[in-house]
Amino acid sequence: EVQLLESGGGLVQPGGSLRLSCAASRFTFASHAMSWVRQAPGKGLEWVSTLSPGGGSTYYADSVKGRFSISRDNSKNTLFLQMNSLRAEDTATYFCAKQTTEFSSSSIDSWGQGTLVTVSS
Amino acid sequence: QTVVTQEPSFSVSPGGTVTLTCGFTSGSVSTTHYPSWYQQTPGQAPRTLIYNTNTRSSGVPDRFSGSILGNKAALTITGAQADDESDYYCVLYMGSGIKVFGGGTKLTVL
Repeated sequence: EVQLLESGGGLVQPGGSLRLSCAASRFTFASHAMSWVRQAPGKGLEWVSTLSPGGGSTYYADSVKGRFSISRDNSKNTLFLQMNSLRAEDTATYFCAKQTTEFSSSSIDSWGQGTLVTVSS
Repeated sequence: QTVVTQEPSFSVSPGGTVTLTCGFTSGSVSTTHYPSWYQQTPGQAPRTLIYNTNTRSSGVPDRFSGSILGNKAALTITGAQADDESDYYCVLYMGSGIKVFGGGTKLTVL
């Protein structure tokens, strides 16, 4: 069974930075597009970003474009999300998600348990 | 900005059938939107039910099914059970790498 384990969440001040990691196992990580999805407290799911298998193609929601950066290390089966210029509205649980194929259009089929990011002074 | 629409809430009787829908404000949903459906209970990660319109995820019972109905994607639950009471989210692929989630449907089984 696919395993996705997020880490790196925590409390950060507005304007600060945080780097999330997602350790993947039990599937061929380098063959799949990967995404981050977030959920603010009491709210619905929001797609944040998607990355192609080789890391050459990145896609972002307008709400994070220019502030967040997605990347991956296929040698370590790890996905990252660098979050800069954080705002209160970025407070959410961030889920790492595996897509079914290498294509950015493909569906999400597996989820991590999430890591909580709180932006507050 | 594209808005993906779902019923905010729905109610079904135990053993009954319910169809939740997923549309978007500026067009019709098709298979090229790769509609997917996720179930989530409070405090838990989402669970994938259906992807690519109608492919059931591993371990999902066959009483969950996905389809295109008219101009929307649909999730049908046949023979609803008490533990189906959850939030259900759809997501659509809108092109250029962009996915948009619906606001979710809170399903009550009573």
